[in-house]
Amino acid sequence: AQTVTQSQPEMSVQEAETVTLSCTYDTSESDYYLFWYKQPPSRQMILVIRQEAYKQQNATENRFSVNFQKAAKSFSLKISDSQLGDAAMYFCAYGGDSGAGSYQLTFGKGTKLSVIP
Amino acid sequence: GAGVSQSPRYKVAKRGQDVALRCDPISGHVSLFWYQQALGQGPEFLTYFQNEAQLDKSGLPSDRFFAERPEGSVSTLKIQRTQQEDSAVYLCASSLEQGSYYEQYFGPGTRLTVT
Repeated sequence: AQTVTQSQPEMSVQEAETVTLSCTYDTSESDYYLFWYKQPPSRQMILVIRQEAYKQQNATENRFSVNFQKAAKSFSLKISDSQLGDAAMYFCAYGGDSGAGSYQLTFGKGTKLSVIP
Repeated sequence: GAGVSQSPRYKVAKRGQDVALRCDPISGHVSLFWYQQALGQGPEFLTYFQNEAQLDKSGLPSDRFFAERPEGSVSTLKIQRTQQEDSAVYLCASSLEQGSYYEQYFGPGTRLTVT
């Protein structure tokens, strides 16, 4: 079974600074996807960024980028120019063929990011 | 456009009561997932539908949990004889097609508290 580990329960960053959230995962598959989801307090979970495992190039979405190290099974999220609206829980998730016909996501426990004005 | 909606948003049940949680996915989305999110944890998979077919129910914690999607759109998660350990946020997600490539869109969740 796949597992996802987020070793930083909480992080903080000064507004306009850069922060990196860590994620490692375990899988025996070669074809899969990795995701970072953001869950603001009392609000819906939304996709921040997605990485295909077969692509060597790291995904970027505006101020958000990832450092994907397939051999090390590491998938960190970098947030540049942090804004107050970035404060939220961030979940790393693995998506792959479960072998049971579904493609459910396996989530880490999350990292709570605080942004300091 | 309309996103995934869930109702009720909050539900308080006395231990032993039955509850039903509703999910309205995005129109046209083939895949529908239910997740359970305990306090301070990440969501955990419960069950998966492709249209009306329940293809994976391996995450359901006990036979007190039952889900259906009879017409391939709205889904209901039912919990019978609720227990305190069932207290959690229940998230529904839908995606356009089957496969990891397709983004899962999440609803706001139903927060279930069993007293």
